[in-house]
Amino acid sequence: TQLLEQSPQFLSIQEGENLTVYCNSSSVFSSLQWYRQEPGEGPVLLVTVVTGGEVKKLKRLTFQFGDARKDSSLHITAAQPGDTGLYLCAGGHYGGSQGNLIFGKGTKLSVKP
Amino acid sequence: NAGVMQNPRHLVRRRGQEARLRCSPMKGHSHVYWYRQLPEEGLKFMVYLQKENIIDESGMPKERFSAEFPKEGPSILRIQQVVRGDSAAYFCASSPRGTGANEKLFFGSGTQLSVL
Repeated sequence: TQLLEQSPQFLSIQEGENLTVYCNSSSVFSSLQWYRQEPGEGPVLLVTVVTGGEVKKLKRLTFQFGDARKDSSLHITAAQPGDTGLYLCAGGHYGGSQGNLIFGKGTKLSVKP
Repeated sequence: NAGVMQNPRHLVRRRGQEARLRCSPMKGHSHVYWYRQLPEEGLKFMVYLQKENIIDESGMPKERFSAEFPKEGPSILRIQQVVRGDSAAYFCASSPRGTGANEKLFFGSGTQLSVL
């Protein structure tokens, strides 16, 4: 069974701090996606990474896919209260239907003003 | 351009009743996916459908659960004889295509099912 482990589970920081959250697996994924989910809403796609070692930036967010395509990280610079939410990583696997994503349990981030 | 629409947002059922969850994909999307999210758990894939076809139902429980995506109208996830363990948030997602590592899924706001 393929699993994605996310850490930390919970993170509470002050506005302006930097943070990194991790997504790890023993399995290789063909792609990895990061989503943000707010209470009572569905996940919203932030980024997709597909190449080992790939780095993508989205304003203050930096996403990295591990060289071996087994892990990923999300780094947020100068966090703001608007960054508060549940961050989910999801892996797509070779040979499977693309919509059959494996999701981690998420990191619940709280940014206090 | 409306996003993925799910209704109802909240559904309360008593044990043994049937639950019907509806999902209208984004305009132009012909691929629909259903996921279930239990409290403190990640989203779990249930089923992937195209118009009139079930492509992958590897995540669907073998009994009581069924899904369809007819030629006209929304996709329906149907749960018969609900039990308390079915209480969860059910999310629908859609995409314009069903293949490719870069395929983007657009999620609806979910239906929160509560079984009394």
